[in-house]
Amino acid sequence: NTGVTQTPKFRILKIGQSMTLQCTQDMNHNYMYWYRQDPGMGLKLIYYSVGAGITDKGEVPNGYNVSRSTTEDFPLRLELAAPSQTSVYFCASSYPGAYEQYFGPGTRLTVT
Amino acid sequence: GESVGLHLPTLSVQEGDNSIINCAYSNSASDYFIWYKQESGKGPQFIIDIRSNMDKRQGQRVTVLLNKTVKHLSLQIAATQPGDSAVYFCAEIRTGANSKLTFGKGITLSVRP
Repeated sequence: NTGVTQTPKFRILKIGQSMTLQCTQDMNHNYMYWYRQDPGMGLKLIYYSVGAGITDKGEVPNGYNVSRSTTEDFPLRLELAAPSQTSVYFCASSYPGAYEQYFGPGTRLTVT
Repeated sequence: GESVGLHLPTLSVQEGDNSIINCAYSNSASDYFIWYKQESGKGPQFIIDIRSNMDKRQGQRVTVLLNKTVKHLSLQIAATQPGDSAVYFCAEIRTGANSKLTFGKGITLSVRP
């Protein structure tokens, strides 16, 4: 297994542009998560999914959308990028009922 | 509101010494705790966990201590090595349906050669 993979590693967006952050896991985990990490702050949950076709909002969902059409993939969509969305984004996955989460390497996004 | 926090933003230790990283949590209902390590440019990596029915749990060179009376968690790293240099997060959760991990802000451990 390669674990959780994320693309791209880095991206610079202009205000108002849109993009999709990709996340794939090959561990057959049902649960997947998107977090953002701002400097000096803890991870904040954006969205999560407990299985294909099921998604739910986390702590900071505004400005983002997700979909979960397969067990493996959980893309995060930014429709109208804003400077406040400059952050490092992490995708994670876990087994149902397990609290240990496996993280991807992150995507560093800058919005200018 | 409820929060998980760390006492110190940075910790510098001499190689070979023991490191102690502290974490305070405020949700007395939390019953499961995890320590994560995050190396520069990488995602967080699970180190060790502990349930609230335990006071201590040991792994390879790491020990987690839980003091529920004062809502305090610590991570002890024995014989700290340069490869231990990273940011360390504690996370807490009240287990059950729809429960989510709450992460602390992180503390940087710097190992001096």
